[in-house]
Amino acid sequence: ETGVTQTPRHLVMGMTNKKSLKCEQHLGHNAMYWYKQSAKKPLELMFVYNFKEQTENNSVPSRFSPECPNSSHLFLHLHTLQPEDSALYLCASSQVRRGGTEAFFGQGTRLTVV
Amino acid sequence: AQSVTQPDIHITVSEGASLELRCNYSYGATPYLFWYVQSPGQGLQLLLKYFSGDTLVQGIKGFEAEFKRSQSSFNLRKPSVHWSDAAEYFCAVALTGGSQGNLIFGKGTKLSVKP
Repeated sequence: ETGVTQTPRHLVMGMTNKKSLKCEQHLGHNAMYWYKQSAKKPLELMFVYNFKEQTENNSVPSRFSPECPNSSHLFLHLHTLQPEDSALYLCASSQVRRGGTEAFFGQGTRLTVV
Repeated sequence: AQSVTQPDIHITVSEGASLELRCNYSYGATPYLFWYVQSPGQGLQLLLKYFSGDTLVQGIKGFEAEFKRSQSSFNLRKPSVHWSDAAEYFCAVALTGGSQGNLIFGKGTKLSVKP
């Protein structure tokens, strides 16, 4: 496989459930990102991992918990979500260095919280 | 604070007509600017980017964009639109050139193409 792969593509969960979103990049990049895309709102950066270290958390509620075990994999653990958390969650990767590369995005996970 | 504004939420053009999508940014330093496209149910694909140099940049699928510092704009253009161009288009700015995944996006412009 090439590029950035996200699983699952669709997820429906209850507010008391615990689930995880998975992202894998096959581009050899050293940085990975989680974005949230809600209707009528701009894409919002949630978390940034550089070299497996979390470098940014944009005031995301604790019910979202990221994990980056290595530079190729990124997870987003979800628990006790709210209906307003329903959105498309996009993962991206890039190479961070002087001159860097652009971000490559996965196809996203469409999350519905019921 | 840095921000990106796309003033047009939805644009409809006829196939074969020219297209211009507007983007304005607010950023104190030299911006790193991007245009991405998103087809329904898909992720984002980079069309083009501008860092420095020639202010007219060419991208994929026949798109181009022009950086105008005096107007804080980075408008996307295509001379002749194809039906397959129907999608949502996002303008974005990166705070550094070294970390181009750390992006601030506009709200997007949805493009519809009439036959």
